[in-house]
Amino acid sequence: ILNVEQSPQSLHVQEGDSTNFTCSFPSSNFYALHWYRWETAKSPEALFVMTLNGDEKKKGRISATLNTKEGYSYLYIKGSQPEDSATYLCASPPNQAGTALIFGKGTTLSVSS
Amino acid sequence: ETGVTQSPTHLIKTRGQQVTLRCSSQSGHNTVSWYQQALGQGPQFIFQYYREEENGRGNFPPRFSGLQFPNYSSELNVNALELDDSALYLCASSTRLAGGPDTQYFGPGTRLTVL
Repeated sequence: ILNVEQSPQSLHVQEGDSTNFTCSFPSSNFYALHWYRWETAKSPEALFVMTLNGDEKKKGRISATLNTKEGYSYLYIKGSQPEDSATYLCASPPNQAGTALIFGKGTTLSVSS
Repeated sequence: ETGVTQSPTHLIKTRGQQVTLRCSSQSGHNTVSWYQQALGQGPQFIFQYYREEENGRGNFPPRFSGLQFPNYSSELNVNALELDDSALYLCASSTRLAGGPDTQYFGPGTRLTVL
């Protein structure tokens, strides 16, 4: 059974700080890794989909890297802003058919001004 | 916003009742997946519908059932509600990409409370 884990569970930073968090997944039979941002009372928003070892994706101040050989992905936020406060979820499908996404429990980021 | 809508937003039921949750997928998407998010957990996959057929199911009992309609909207039905069914139910729509991972686009969820 595919197990996706995220750390830390929660994080509190000051405005302007840079931060990062981790998603771990089994390195065998890897297919893809998804990152979502979920703000309170909104829909989870797709940030990145990564498939290749060494992949690096960027969207504004947010970037992500992927290491499929060791089974982890990092999400970085540069110069955190209060609007970055959200829960960040990572997910991976258990097979290439991609029917399901197996989610971690998320990292909840709080940015205070 | 993703263009995926869900109704109702909130729902309160009592144990033993039945409930139907609805999801309208994003235009052009033919696949709908349903997830349950209990407190403190990540979303758990319930099942997926592709072109009106069930196309994968998670570890949920048969009292969780679904439908997908010709316009690709979908329903999640839960019979004989239990207290542990209290959760946020998310639906996500996607479209199959040949040779690539699908991005699933989520609705805002339906909050179900079972008393």
